[in-house]
Amino acid sequence: DAGVIQSPRHEVTEMGQEVTLRCKPISGHNSLFWYRQTMMRGLELLIYFNNNVPIDDSGMPEDRFSAKMPNASFSTLKIQPSEPRDSAVYFCASSFWSATVGQGTFFGQGTRLTVV
Amino acid sequence: DQQVKQNSPSLSVQEGRISILNCDYTNSMFDYFLWYKKYPAEGPTFLISISSIKDKNEDGRFTVFLNKSAKHLSLHIVPSQPGDSAVYFCAASDPGNTGKLIFGQGTTLQVKP
Repeated sequence: DAGVIQSPRHEVTEMGQEVTLRCKPISGHNSLFWYRQTMMRGLELLIYFNNNVPIDDSGMPEDRFSAKMPNASFSTLKIQPSEPRDSAVYFCASSFWSATVGQGTFFGQGTRLTVV
Repeated sequence: DQQVKQNSPSLSVQEGRISILNCDYTNSMFDYFLWYKKYPAEGPTFLISISSIKDKNEDGRFTVFLNKSAKHLSLHIVPSQPGDSAVYFCAASDPGNTGKLIFGQGTTLQVKP
């Protein structure tokens, strides 16, 4: 398996533009997570899905952020409109929740977003 | 509010010596903890974990210690190697059995040759 695949790896956009980040989880995994890495807060959970259904979006910072998971093999995180403070590295992770919770959580390589 | 805290943003250690990374948590319901390692331009990868029924778990050069009364855990790396230089994240598993992980801010470890 190729692991969790995120695209793009880098994104530079102007303030006010729409940004869409994409994620392909590991085949067979039933949970998908979107995290954001910042210096101040480390890895923050934004939203997670279980069996394609959003379970907890309490970490989504504002209404400008939205996420979808139309099927088991694809998810998007959208920011509209983007602002400079959204600049961060965004990670997607997937897992098959079981007794070995956490150990089986695999991360993508991340998307480095820069909003200028 | 940060439920998992890593108060040292960085740590520098000489090769061959011990590296000790610390982590504190506030939620006494947490019962499973993990350490992840992250190299630049890569995603975090699982390193080692510990359940609250234990106070120590060892895997090769890596040992995690858990002090439940102090709500504190630490990762020991002995001996440290230059390849260990990375960002280390402490995480707690959501007690609601959701699979969600709650991370700290991370500590950047530099091991000098």
